[in-house]
Amino acid sequence: EAGVAQSPRYKIIEKRQSVAFWCNPISGHATLYWYQQILGQGPKLLIQFQNNGVVDDSQLPKDRFSAERLKGVDSTLKIQPAKLEDSAVYLCASSGDRHGYTFGSGTRLTVV
Amino acid sequence: AQSVTQPDIHITVSEGASLELRCNYSYGATPYLFWYVQSPGQGLQLLLKYFSGDTLVQGIKGFEAEFKRSQSSFNLRKPSVHWSDAAEYFCAVGRSGYSTLTFGKGTMLLVSP
Repeated sequence: EAGVAQSPRYKIIEKRQSVAFWCNPISGHATLYWYQQILGQGPKLLIQFQNNGVVDDSQLPKDRFSAERLKGVDSTLKIQPAKLEDSAVYLCASSGDRHGYTFGSGTRLTVV
Repeated sequence: AQSVTQPDIHITVSEGASLELRCNYSYGATPYLFWYVQSPGQGLQLLLKYFSGDTLVQGIKGFEAEFKRSQSSFNLRKPSVHWSDAAEYFCAVGRSGYSTLTFGKGTMLLVSP
């Protein structure tokens, strides 16, 4: 089966600019996650969707981050305005059953 | 709150030698435990997972892990390391197979010739 697709792979922006990331999960997977992985650390959950509803966004910095999953398939994660500390890899994952989930290759964001 | 500790930031192993990566977790109920591997510039690949049953779990690429409830540990092992195993390894815990995961900070494995 096709994996979790993410784009772009890399993005460099200046601080205070906005940026958006896109994720296409595995077909039929109802649950979608966005994780942030800062260099030298493990991934940290930003938001979890079940179909097109938000299950957990307790760690999403809502003053600058937003995410949506229209129609319960693709998802976009937006940062506006970006800060230097947002430099990280943003990983999308999807799950369709009880037995774990699949990660995409991630988008590496550098804020300068 | 759940947490994961990977005590070793870096480990260097000679090719052909055995490997053990340590993972300790804190969780109030029966945990779902995972080991992932991440090569540079890549996403996370699942090596193995433990949900219930046999506490010794076999995974891909010759890896195995043992769940020890009394020690709150889920250490990853491989009997003979190959140069291609050099990567970063993450242990993670969740309350189900599709819940959010809490990751450790990772262990970077270096393989020497």
